[in-house]
Amino acid sequence: DTAVSQTPKYLVTQMGNDKSIKCEQNLGHDTMYWYKQDSKKFLKIMFSYNNKELIINETVPNRFSPKSPDKAHLNLHINSLELGDSAVYFCASSRQGRTGELFFGEGSRLTVL
Amino acid sequence: GQQLNQSPQSMFIQEGEDVSMNCTSSSIFNTWLWYKQDPGEGPVLLIALYKAGELTSNGRLTAQFGITRKDSFLNISASIPSDVGIYFCAGPPSNTGKLIFGQGTTLQVKP
Repeated sequence: DTAVSQTPKYLVTQMGNDKSIKCEQNLGHDTMYWYKQDSKKFLKIMFSYNNKELIINETVPNRFSPKSPDKAHLNLHINSLELGDSAVYFCASSRQGRTGELFFGEGSRLTVL
Repeated sequence: GQQLNQSPQSMFIQEGEDVSMNCTSSSIFNTWLWYKQDPGEGPVLLIALYKAGELTSNGRLTAQFGITRKDSFLNISASIPSDVGIYFCAGPPSNTGKLIFGQGTTLQVKP
């Protein structure tokens, strides 16, 4: 059983389109995250949810909207995609109070043409 | 914002050699973590350090939490080809509830 699973793994789309990435964790964790990894492999936090509540919202364009329907799921919707949005997006989860001990998904590689 | 400076940026070594990498911060961290990312995968936690001066091992990996709380080191002994990947240091800045990462050290091992 995959602990943190993301879909799709690959996504190729045109500029201006809207797309979503889904994430599910079966670890019973309370906190979930979205990270963006750029072409230089730098990992930057975008959002964090704790028990469906948004607790971290970094300086991210408001074209990016996370949604957490329950504590096991955290989805990322991106409107009006731009070339600079091309990256690998990682979902992660952790137990409450264990901020550093993240379990990452395999990543979703988004390519905007 | 706060940054973690990791060095070296990349290493190309011979199988069997020992490897050392480090990470520094301009501010104090109460936790230091080391992750490894294999190609096409997400990062995986290798070692977590919670106390200044702490030295922790995980197989051939050893990590230390610096006494000043502004740095950490990771050593890999007797490297093997499957050690190839990107190693990230990470830490949660105080009272932020988030984890920030260093720029990564890319390790390549020649059989």
